[in-house]
Amino acid sequence: EVQLVQSGAEVKKPGESLKISCKGSGYSFTDFWIDWMRHLPGKGLEYMGVIYPGDSDTRYNPSFQGQVTISADKSITTAYLQWSSLKASDTAMYYCARRSRTGNLDFWGQGTLVTVSS
Amino acid sequence: EIVLTQSPGTLSLSPGERATLSCRASQSINNNYLAWYQQKPGQAPRVLIYGASSRATGIPARFSGSGSGTDFTLTISRLEPEDFAVYYCQQYGNSPRTFGLGTNLEIK
Repeated sequence: EVQLVQSGAEVKKPGESLKISCKGSGYSFTDFWIDWMRHLPGKGLEYMGVIYPGDSDTRYNPSFQGQVTISADKSITTAYLQWSSLKASDTAMYYCARRSRTGNLDFWGQGTLVTVSS
Repeated sequence: EIVLTQSPGTLSLSPGERATLSCRASQSINNNYLAWYQQKPGQAPRVLIYGASSRATGIPARFSGSGSGTDFTLTISRLEPEDFAVYYCQQYGNSPRTFGLGTNLEIK
C-alpha cells in the first residue's frame, strides 16, 4: 500500500527555522516525483515545488524560490520542506504528494500544520 | 502563470441531484492536463479525474470530467451524501502548476 506520512504539527516563532518531513512507503521512492503544496486558511492550494528523490533534481515555483528548500534522503525514503527563517505568513497546512506517471497527484500525505506566532 | 477560475464558489444541492462544476483557465492548458481533486474536512485531497476526463483508480462512475483548452467541467451525475466536499481543479500542463480556489459543494 502506497503511503506518505508527514511529520506532526509545529508551532514556531517568527525567525525560527523548521524542517518538516514526508516519508514514503509501499512503492519505489526513487522513481516518482514528490510535490509540496501550501494550503492557506480559507484559501486554495498552491504548488511550491517538486523533487525527484532518485537524483534530487528539484524545481521550484518562482513564487517560492528562495523562500523554502526542498530536499530528500532516499536512504530513508523521506522528502523534506524547510525554512531558515519563518514568518507569520508561513502559517498554513503543508501537503506532500506523489506525482503519478500521468502527472497528477495520486497519493497525498495527511498534511502538516505549521503555525508561526510570536 | 495560468489562473484557474472555478465556479460557482458554493453549490447547494440535494442528494440525488446532478452537480456541474466549472474550471476555466486563463490560457489553454497543454495536453489538457487538468485534474480534479475532492477534499473533505480534516482530510487530504484525493484525485478524482486526470487528463481532463480519465477517472482515477477506484473513483465511482458517477464522477466524470470533460472539456478541453480553457474550459473544463466536473459532473457528478447523482449526488451521494459522501460527495459533499470541496472540489479543486489543477492544471499540470504548464509551469508552474496551479490550482483553482475550489467549489464548496454543500447539502441544500
